[in-house]
Amino acid sequence: KQEVTQIPAALSVPEGENLVLNCSFTDSAIYNLQWFRQDPGKGLTSLLLIQSSQREQTSGRLNASLDKSSGRSTLYIAASQPGDSATYLCAVTPGANSKLTFGKGITLSVRP
Amino acid sequence: SQTIHQWPATLVQPVGSPLSLECTVEGTSNPNLYWYRQAAGRGLQLLFYSVGIGQISSEVPQNLSASRPQDRQFILSSKKLLLSDSGFYLCAWSATRSGSGGYTFGSGTRLTVV
Repeated sequence: KQEVTQIPAALSVPEGENLVLNCSFTDSAIYNLQWFRQDPGKGLTSLLLIQSSQREQTSGRLNASLDKSSGRSTLYIAASQPGDSATYLCAVTPGANSKLTFGKGITLSVRP
Repeated sequence: SQTIHQWPATLVQPVGSPLSLECTVEGTSNPNLYWYRQAAGRGLQLLFYSVGIGQISSEVPQNLSASRPQDRQFILSSKKLLLSDSGFYLCAWSATRSGSGGYTFGSGTRLTVV
């Protein structure tokens, strides 16, 4: 059974800091990995999708990497801003079926 | 472009009352559709998924049911709500069954059962 872990559960950083959010998964047989952002009381917004054949994806100040063999992904946020404060969720699409498996998320607070 | 709509955004219902949450997708055909629940302090739990009209798979035994009467419409229902049904309900779609193209989520419905 695929398990996705995101540690720590919460993170507080000062504005301007570069930061890395970690995600680990137990089964390396995945189709892809997706990072989402969730603001309080809102739905999930897709940030980056990495296919299993890819090593990384970039969008603006965000960069996500994928190392399937070690079961890890990182989301790098450059020059963090208070507007980046949200919960960041990592999810993998298992190879065997269509059940997207989520981590519990990292709640990020960027202090002005 | 594809869009996904969920309504209502917020719902307060008494215990024992019925429930109907609706989700529709625009701009695509034959989407794979999903209902997730996010309980306070817990992760997202897949409740139902559908690969086509009338085809529903349930992930966990519960007080809820789902239906797909049209290609781009997915409905979550209950005949009698329980307190434990409270939570944040999210609808999602993917272009393929494997989700290889990624998943897109709706804005969610906050359900409070009182």
